[in-house]
Amino acid sequence: NAGVTQTPKFQVLKTGQSMTLQCAQDMNHEYMSWYRQDPGMGLRLIHYSVGAGITDQGEVPNGYNVSRSTTEDFPLRLLSAAPSQTSVYFCASSLSSGGPGTDEQFFGPGTRLTVL
Amino acid sequence: SQKIEQNSEALNIQEGKTATLTCNYTNYSPAYLQWYRQDPGRGPVFLLLIRENEKEKRKERLKVTFDTTLKQSLFHITASQPADSATYLCALDPDYGGSQGNLIFGKGTKLSVKP
Repeated sequence: NAGVTQTPKFQVLKTGQSMTLQCAQDMNHEYMSWYRQDPGMGLRLIHYSVGAGITDQGEVPNGYNVSRSTTEDFPLRLLSAAPSQTSVYFCASSLSSGGPGTDEQFFGPGTRLTVL
Repeated sequence: SQKIEQNSEALNIQEGKTATLTCNYTNYSPAYLQWYRQDPGRGPVFLLLIRENEKEKRKERLKVTFDTTLKQSLFHITASQPADSATYLCALDPDYGGSQGNLIFGKGTKLSVKP
């Protein structure tokens, strides 16, 4: 199993540009989520999904969009990039849709995004 | 307000000693608490999960305790090694085992084990 994969590893955008961060998992996990990690702020949840066709907002959803058309993929879209979105983005998945606290989370390697 | 705090940003210990990391939370009643390890430039890796009705859980040299009265979890690494040097994150579910997606993470404690 490849686990959780994320592309790209690094990305530089200009303010106002849009892009999609890709996330895929091959473990047949129901639960998937996106976090951002900033120095001094820890990991903060952006959006999550408890199964295909179901998504919901986390703590910091503004400026981001998600969809879940398949169990495997959970892309994160930046609609109009802003310097405040400069961060490291992690995708995570877990087996149980009973809530993230009930099962271990598998994290991807991260995407380091810089918005100029 | 609701908070999850790991009381040290950094902890330096000598090889062979026991490292003890603390996670305190305020105004949450989690049913589960988890600990992760994160190395520089990598995603967090799951270590242990403990439920509210479990006082203690062990895995090899790792031990976690969960005190719902004190609202605190302690994470111990016995016989620490330089390879244990990393940032350790605690996380809890604020929805008491429910299906809401808000797994809340602490900011982490950076552990350095000196030979």
